[in-house]
Amino acid sequence: QSVLTQPPSASGTPGQRVTMSCSGSSSNIGTNTVNWYQQLPGTAPKLLIYSNNQRPSGVPDRFSGSESGTSASLAISGLQSEDEADYYCAAWDDSLTGYVFGTGTKVTVL
Amino acid sequence: QVQLVQSGAEVKKPGASVKVSCKASGYTLTGYYMHWVRQAPGQGLEWMGWINPDNGGTSYAQSFQGRVAMTRDTSINTAYMELSRLRSDDTAVYYCAKVGAGSCCHFEYWGQGTLVAVSS
Repeated sequence: QSVLTQPPSASGTPGQRVTMSCSGSSSNIGTNTVNWYQQLPGTAPKLLIYSNNQRPSGVPDRFSGSESGTSASLAISGLQSEDEADYYCAAWDDSLTGYVFGTGTKVTVL
Repeated sequence: QVQLVQSGAEVKKPGASVKVSCKASGYTLTGYYMHWVRQAPGQGLEWMGWINPDNGGTSYAQSFQGRVAMTRDTSINTAYMELSRLRSDDTAVYYCAKVGAGSCCHFEYWGQGTLVAVSS
């Protein structure tokens, strides 16, 4: 099972700000940087945030990431209908010597 | 532009093996680690392991040790993932993913996915 815990769902109306958490431990988030992926229905995941708070080219600045201790957060400001997707946090885990994904958060735009 | 194009869907019987290919274009395969990730129907993402295409070195997730083999053919810029002794719970979409520059572990580009269905 996943070692990174995310809330199963989050929702908001268009234009609102939505945040979601990712809880880990000292062997993953506490030591290594966090990445976030967006998965639209029926498609491959897409890198959204890397190294805790960096956006790849082409990702709108409505998406932002932060990290503190053994937890991380993703925020979506100015929520849009096209943001309806599953969001996964991920990090390298030194104890497992492997990459771990979060349980995923499904964002619904009301 | 970077593209990862995977082989087509497969249907296999329990106990069989499957080999999925991932052809890279727009960059040289040997320059970046390639990881493999799978997603069972309606489930989350599960990391399987990585290959260093430069020297063929690999590291696999514990849950796949002994059943998975990641290889590459640098002459055709293609990486492979072979999973053996298939079970019904191996039914999933399998993705290859290229790491970003200077990173072990953020996956900048993904293949389109390959559905592997295991059924008797």
